[in-house]
Amino acid sequence: GENVEQHPSTLSVQEGDSAVIKCTYSDSASNYFPWYKQELGKGPQLIIDIRSNVGEKKDQRIAVTLNKTAKHFSLHITETQPEDSAVYFCAASRGVRTNAGKSTFGDGTTLTVKP
Amino acid sequence: DAGVIQSPRHEVTEMGQEVTLRCKPISGHNSLFWYRQTMMRGLELLIYFNNNVPIDDSGMPEDRFSAKMPNASFSTLKIQPSEPRDSAVYFCASSPRTSGSSYEQYFGPGTRLTVT
Repeated sequence: GENVEQHPSTLSVQEGDSAVIKCTYSDSASNYFPWYKQELGKGPQLIIDIRSNVGEKKDQRIAVTLNKTAKHFSLHITETQPEDSAVYFCAASRGVRTNAGKSTFGDGTTLTVKP
Repeated sequence: DAGVIQSPRHEVTEMGQEVTLRCKPISGHNSLFWYRQTMMRGLELLIYFNNNVPIDDSGMPEDRFSAKMPNASFSTLKIQPSEPRDSAVYFCASSPRTSGSSYEQYFGPGTRLTVT
């Protein structure tokens, strides 16, 4: 089955700096890579995703890059703000045809943005 | 849209008791997932359904755990009998299945279960 590794497990940055979280996956058939943000006491919420036919995607201060050859993808947050502090999860999925959209999640990264 | 609804939000029970967690997925979503989250093991997929049919229950830890989805708008996760090591936050998530969908998952607020 799919195996997703996520690094680092914790990340502390100063407000305004950038934060980068990296994930690797093992299943070359995976074609959908979402990122979720989990705030304290809440369920994970999708913040950005990327499909295998795209190398990079941006949404304001958040961007995700994908390298299918190397089987790794990364989340980039620029101009970090204290409200970005949360646990971030990456995930990998083959898509609905084979497994109804089942995703394999990384172990999460706790991001702390210091004011 | 109200999002994924889970009940109860908190449950405290004694070891040996039966626990039933409930989930109402987002209307129109065809896939439903049950997860367990703990500090030690992170986010674990327990079981997921597609069109109310269980597809993969390999993550269900023991026979004490069972899940049902009698219709498209309701699912339950039952633990009988419960044990202290079942203490965790249980999340339900649903996912759309439309042409071109990215199959993102929408998570509920979770049920925090404490078994004493």
